[in-house]
Amino acid sequence: AQTVTQSQPEMSVQEAETVTLSCTYDTSESDYYLFWYKQPPSRQMILVIRQEAYKQQNATENRFSVNFQKAAKSFSLKISDSQLGDAAMYFCAYRSAMGAQKLVFGQGTRLTINP
Amino acid sequence: EPEVTQTPSHQVTQMGQEVILRCVPISNHLYFYWYRQILGQKVEFLVSFYNNEISEKSEIFDDQFSVERPDGSNFTLKIRSTKLEDSAMYFCASSGTGGRGEQFFGPGTRLTVL
Repeated sequence: AQTVTQSQPEMSVQEAETVTLSCTYDTSESDYYLFWYKQPPSRQMILVIRQEAYKQQNATENRFSVNFQKAAKSFSLKISDSQLGDAAMYFCAYRSAMGAQKLVFGQGTRLTINP
Repeated sequence: EPEVTQTPSHQVTQMGQEVILRCVPISNHLYFYWYRQILGQKVEFLVSFYNNEISEKSEIFDDQFSVERPDGSNFTLKIRSTKLEDSAMYFCASSGTGGRGEQFFGPGTRLTVL
């Protein structure tokens, strides 16, 4: 079974600075998707960014980018120019490209933005 | 922009009572999911539903749980006899075809079992 591990329960960063959230995963599959979801205090799950495993190029979405290292099974999220609105829980998630389509989530990292 | 909706936003019930949580997925999506999140913990998969049947369920999804798509728009999760440990946030999600893998989440229903 696939597992996702986020080793940083909490992170903090100064406003306008850059922060990186770590995620590792374990799978025997070669084709899959990886995601970062943001969960603000409202507890709504908001998709931040996604990465297809077959793509070598790292995904970027405005101030959010990932560092996808397939061999190392690592998928970190970099937030540039941190803003107060970025404060939230961030969950890394894995989804197989075939068969079961469930998302497997990590434990989450609580990100605090210091003004 | 299309979105997944869930009702109610908060449900309070007595232990042993039945509850039905409702979801309206995005209209052209074919894959539907329920997840739950106990306060302070990670999001856990409960069940996936495709072509009017369960495609996968987790160990959490025991005989107390059931899902149904009673019409062309709603997707429901029923808990027959609630327990204290069922208190959690329940998220519905839906996904289209094409293999892009993205699931869109609803705002969640907070279930409190007293």
